[in-house]
Amino acid sequence: ETGVTQSPTHLIKTRGQQVTLRCSSQSGHNTVSWYQQALGQGPQFIFQYYREEENGRGNFPPRFSGLQFPNYSSELNVNALELDDSALYLCASSLGTGRLAGNTIYFGEGSWLTVV
Amino acid sequence: AQSVTQPDIHITVSEGASLELRCNYSYGATPYLFWYVQSPGQGLQLLLKYFSGDTLVQGIKGFEAEFKRSQSSFNLRKPSVHWSDAAEYFCAVGAGTSGTYKYIFGTGTRLKVLA
Repeated sequence: ETGVTQSPTHLIKTRGQQVTLRCSSQSGHNTVSWYQQALGQGPQFIFQYYREEENGRGNFPPRFSGLQFPNYSSELNVNALELDDSALYLCASSLGTGRLAGNTIYFGEGSWLTVV
Repeated sequence: AQSVTQPDIHITVSEGASLELRCNYSYGATPYLFWYVQSPGQGLQLLLKYFSGDTLVQGIKGFEAEFKRSQSSFNLRKPSVHWSDAAEYFCAVGAGTSGTYKYIFGTGTRLKVLA
């Protein structure tokens, strides 16, 4: 068990709807990253939040947005859902944002999103 | 560009046989390298990681990996596979010297174990 918890674990949404996924980070971690893992693919970096600010973004459109709260928990919001958004969404927490953060990264179990 | 390649999409081995999963990376600086395992319907579990020092890294569940800078490889090995090792395996490189630190994952290798 990593101490990173995500909710909900599974959900089904209709195309065009909006979804919010939540992540509670490992105690003491101040950085949260989100990844999308489509079926049969490796996880892809969506964005990272550090001290409540977006701190880097992958190749995802603006309808993917996020928040980080003072307790370092985080939300991933996806607007105007498309069928291709169906995936496992993984949250990872770490301490800091530099290379040494790789020594402290923990992943949650993920949220499975199905868009129909 | 930074990338990770796992050449084998599927691998099938018999229980008790040895295993090697290949991983090649492209990264300009000294890489931080990781292997994760994912069972069906589950999240990612860290098997092992390489930051520096000894190029042969020991991990959990009897796995090891060897970093070879000259070949840009970080192959995962296990001397004797158990049926419970059937899962998907991901190699990843940590990217970013400052600011945003992220993982770049390969597309994964699905391991099937025959009884």
